[in-house]
Amino acid sequence: GENVEQHPSTLSVQEGDSAVIKCTYSDSASNYFPWYKQELGKRPQLIIDIRSNVGEKKDQRIAVTLNKTAKHFSLHITETQPEDSAVYFCAATDSWGKLQFGAGTQVVVTP
Amino acid sequence: DTAVSQTPKYLVTQMGNDKSIKCEQNLGHDTMYWYKQDSKKFLKIMFSYNNKELIINETVPNRFSPKSPDKAHLNLHINSLELGDSAVYFCASSSRTREETQYFGPGTRLLVL
Repeated sequence: GENVEQHPSTLSVQEGDSAVIKCTYSDSASNYFPWYKQELGKRPQLIIDIRSNVGEKKDQRIAVTLNKTAKHFSLHITETQPEDSAVYFCAATDSWGKLQFGAGTQVVVTP
Repeated sequence: DTAVSQTPKYLVTQMGNDKSIKCEQNLGHDTMYWYKQDSKKFLKIMFSYNNKELIINETVPNRFSPKSPDKAHLNLHINSLELGDSAVYFCASSSRTREETQYFGPGTRLLVL
């Protein structure tokens, strides 16, 4: 089955700096890779996703890159703000259509 | 913001009790899921239903039994609750099982004493 690994587990950045979270997956059949943001006590919310026929996608300060050959994908947040503080999860669908999540990255943006 | 809703939001109960959590979505989706998020924040899928049919059944104890009366509802019944069942349970839905965005409910915080 699919195995998604996510690094780092915690990430502390100064406001205005960039944050990068990296994930790897094992199932070569995976072709959908969403990223979720979960604020404390709230539900996971989709912030951006990418499909396997695309190498990069950008939405304002958030971008995601996908390298299918190496089986890794990354989330980039530029010009971080305090409201970006949250737990971020990467995920990948496996051959059965299940969404396998990474273990999460706690991002702390300090003013 | 009430596209996927769950009740109750909080559930505190004694070991050995039986409890149910309800989930409803008004997005017109045909696939619904139950996830468990433990204290370390790890999100793990438990079940998935497509048009009222069970399609994903992870290795969870058979004390957990999902029921889908129609494609807009997916309930979770838990028998003989144990301390280790304490977690946040999230319902989610999507329009298809694969390559489709899953929308999460607000979660049910279950504490077993």
